[in-house]
Amino acid sequence: QQQVKQSPQSLIVQKGGISIINCAYENTAFDYFPWYQQFPGKGPALLIAIRPDVSEKKEGRFTISFNKSAKQFSLHIMDSQPGDSATYFCAARRQGGKLIFGQGTELSVKP
Amino acid sequence: DSGVTQTPKHLITATGQRVTLRCSPRSGDLSVYWYQQSLDQGLQFLIQYYNGEERAKGNILERFSAQQFPDLHSELNLSSLELGDSALYFCASSTRDRGEQFFGPGTRLTVL
Repeated sequence: QQQVKQSPQSLIVQKGGISIINCAYENTAFDYFPWYQQFPGKGPALLIAIRPDVSEKKEGRFTISFNKSAKQFSLHIMDSQPGDSATYFCAARRQGGKLIFGQGTELSVKP
Repeated sequence: DSGVTQTPKHLITATGQRVTLRCSPRSGDLSVYWYQQSLDQGLQFLIQYYNGEERAKGNILERFSAQQFPDLHSELNLSSLELGDSALYFCASSTRDRGEQFFGPGTRLTVL
């Protein structure tokens, strides 16, 4: 049973545009929601994270928006660059440190 | 570079064999996590150790086992390997039990 659903599966954005990736979760026991970026052949790298008592967190060009009542959160990448082309994973944490990941979004930023 | 190291980088073996994957956490990190990444299942949590003790378990097969040693490095043992065990295996570490997790570069396991 997938507890974190991520969409879209793939996304093509023009350079300078905004990339938006959405996630929805089912379990209200989750207490921490990170986003990871993964390049081919590399391990996932922590990008930005949020706790459910905050509605928005911004770090540089990356913003997480969190809607606790709707059990949804999203990643916005402003001024998207070709170097941002990678696979992005949302995740949710429960039961100690266990992270449950979404299925991933393959982002391609066209020059 | 996250500071988490994993060896070997690639491993090719045959069905029925046993392999050991090794992970060294970031300096000072007490918690180690193992994840499996495959095309059909995505990133799946396997097991977590904190300061040598098993902390949480995911959908880890009985053929798989892990441990964390006094120097905090961890090993994941996979036995009676099947074709479906072919995947990327990642180790992550965090400073404390519920801290931010930093992933290593992974071990790509191919079972022929």
